Amino acid sequence: GAGVSQSPSNKVTEKGKDVELRCDPISGHTALYWYRQSLGQGLEFLIYFQGNSAPDKSGLPSDRFSAERTGGSVSTLTIQRTQQEDSAVYLCASSPQGLLPPYEQYFGPGTRLTVT
Amino acid sequence: GQQVMQIPQYQHVQEGEDFTTYCNSSTTLSNIQWYKQRPGGHPVFLIQLVKSGEVKKQKRLTFQFGEAKKNSSLHITATQTTDVGTYFCAPGLGSSNTGKLIFGQGTTLQVKP
Repeated sequence: GAGVSQSPSNKVTEKGKDVELRCDPISGHTALYWYRQSLGQGLEFLIYFQGNSAPDKSGLPSDRFSAERTGGSVSTLTIQRTQQEDSAVYLCASSPQGLLPPYEQYFGPGTRLTVT
Repeated sequence: GQQVMQIPQYQHVQEGEDFTTYCNSSTTLSNIQWYKQRPGGHPVFLIQLVKSGEVKKQKRLTFQFGEAKKNSSLHITATQTTDVGTYFCAPGLGSSNTGKLIFGQGTTLQVKP
């Protein structure tokens, strides 16, 4: 079946502009995660969704970052007033459910964001 | 918050040599997952360990979970060029039911043919 998809694959934007990144999880997966990966670095957790609710937003770096999920499926990560330090690959992952024990996460190909 | 340290950060080996990466935590882990990320790719799930002292094998890969559940290791026997990539450990947060994982910084493996 289809895996996790993300769009766009690449995004170049000017500093100060807003961007929206989209994630389509695997059908039926109730848990959805957003991560950020800077060049040569590990994965930084941003936010977790269980269904449409986000019980854990602890990783969002500032109030310029927000995310929503509708219909228990597609999720959008929005970054307002982008800064150069926002440049990174944004990865989305989905999982059959978010409850214990952790289930394996299936990652999308990511969106490479470059802020000029 | 809970953190894990992965060592080494980088490893260069000759094809055919063995390779081991270690994941260490200061707190007891309820479980741990391992992922592999090829250059330019996205992380792919390898294995999950749950029990104290657990050992699992996948062909040339051997995964271990320490008796105290504070550390884990991934050992690759006779590396091949296809093993190139970054290996991440990712402990699950047992005190939370979010299924949230905290990824280590990863060990990047280079294999010289």
